[in-house]
Amino acid sequence: AQKVTQAQTEISVVEKEDVTLDCVYETRDTTYYLFWYKQPPSGELVFLIRRNSFDEQNEISGRYSWNFQKSTSSFNFTITASQVVDSAVYFCALSALYSGGGADGLTFGKGTHLIIQP
Amino acid sequence: SQTIHQWPATLVQPVGSPLSLECTVEGTSNPNLYWYRQAAGRGLQLLFYSVGIGQISSEVPQNLSASRPQDRQFILSSKKLLLSDSGFYLCALTPDSKHSTDTQYFGPGTRLTVL
Repeated sequence: AQKVTQAQTEISVVEKEDVTLDCVYETRDTTYYLFWYKQPPSGELVFLIRRNSFDEQNEISGRYSWNFQKSTSSFNFTITASQVVDSAVYFCALSALYSGGGADGLTFGKGTHLIIQP
Repeated sequence: SQTIHQWPATLVQPVGSPLSLECTVEGTSNPNLYWYRQAAGRGLQLLFYSVGIGQISSEVPQNLSASRPQDRQFILSSKKLLLSDSGFYLCALTPDSKHSTDTQYFGPGTRLTVL
């Protein structure tokens, strides 16, 4: 069985602070993919990143960066110099390539509600 | 790029009434389609997925059903709603793909309140 844990239910920081959202996952598959999505108040999930289990290089996209560490089964997300527009619920998700194939969906964490105060 | 439409955006229904939520997609052919539900304070739960017309797989037992009458249309239904069916329903797709590990793109969602 797969599991994604986002231990931080809610984080509140002041604008311009850096903030890291934690994600810990569990899977028995050796080939899997990790995702981060942003859910603003409007509700629609916005795709941020997809990373496969064989690529442990950290990734940076503007103010966003991701730290993937297989040794600790973590895929953490950092926002540098946070802005009010970053306020949202952020979801970490996992999808594994089962030996039986198929089109199963993503396994999501429960999300972290990020509040950026002006 | 693909676009996902969901209708209606918001719905308030009494317990025991029927339900029909629609998801239509543009800009892609032969997508895998998914229905998720997000209950208050919880993450997203996969309800159904479809790899093609008429092909539906259910992930959890429930009083909901899904159908895919056309390649780009995915419908979520219920004959009698329960209070526990309240939530935010999201339709998602992986474009022209048979791999669950491809990126899923989500529609705007339907917020359902059952009273």
